[in-house]
Amino acid sequence: EAGVTQFPSHSVIEKGQTVTLRCDPISGHDNLYWYRRVMGKEIKFLLHFVKESKQDESGMPNNRFLAERTGGTYSTLKVQPAELEDSGVYFCASSHDKSSYNSPLHFGNGTRLTVT
Amino acid sequence: QKEVEQDPGPLSVPEGAIVSLNCTYSNSAFQYFMWYRQYSRKGPELLMYTYSSGNKEDGRFTAQVDKSSKYISLFIRDSQPSDSATYLCAMSRLSGQNFVFGPGTRLSVLP
Repeated sequence: EAGVTQFPSHSVIEKGQTVTLRCDPISGHDNLYWYRRVMGKEIKFLLHFVKESKQDESGMPNNRFLAERTGGTYSTLKVQPAELEDSGVYFCASSHDKSSYNSPLHFGNGTRLTVT
Repeated sequence: QKEVEQDPGPLSVPEGAIVSLNCTYSNSAFQYFMWYRQYSRKGPELLMYTYSSGNKEDGRFTAQVDKSSKYISLFIRDSQPSDSATYLCAMSRLSGQNFVFGPGTRLSVLP
């Protein structure tokens, strides 16, 4: 079984530019989550999709961040325009069944975003 | 006060030692608890997943949850150099709900 894959693994952009991160969850996982870790801080929740619907986007920092999951498969997270404080590692995770105890999160390796 | 506290370390132990990693939390509504291991430049890898209070054992790893004290622990027996990583605790109120992470403890197991 392929794990959660994220692309790109590393992105360096200038302040004001746009970046789009992509996440392919484990096949069959309806739940997809975005988390991020900014420098020196803990991993923090951004949002949660169930299939193509946003279940919880309470962690999205502001309207410069836009997440989509068209068709309920892969997801994209766009940052536009990027600011210096957006630098960090963006993780995607997926799980099979929201209501099941035996459905923990499986993480990708993250996208390391550097805004200069 | 942060919702989840964790000693950041670094923690250095000799190979073969028993390691104890701990997290405390403030939200008594948390019911689901996970421990992740993260190697440098990699994503968090799930080690243990427990519900409510009690112990769970898997090989060299044992997870303990004490909800009355709002305290969870991960024990690693016979630690190996390959266990050197950052260990993260995470917890949530409901299964499938977003998890709150601790800052992580860096562990080094010296050969």
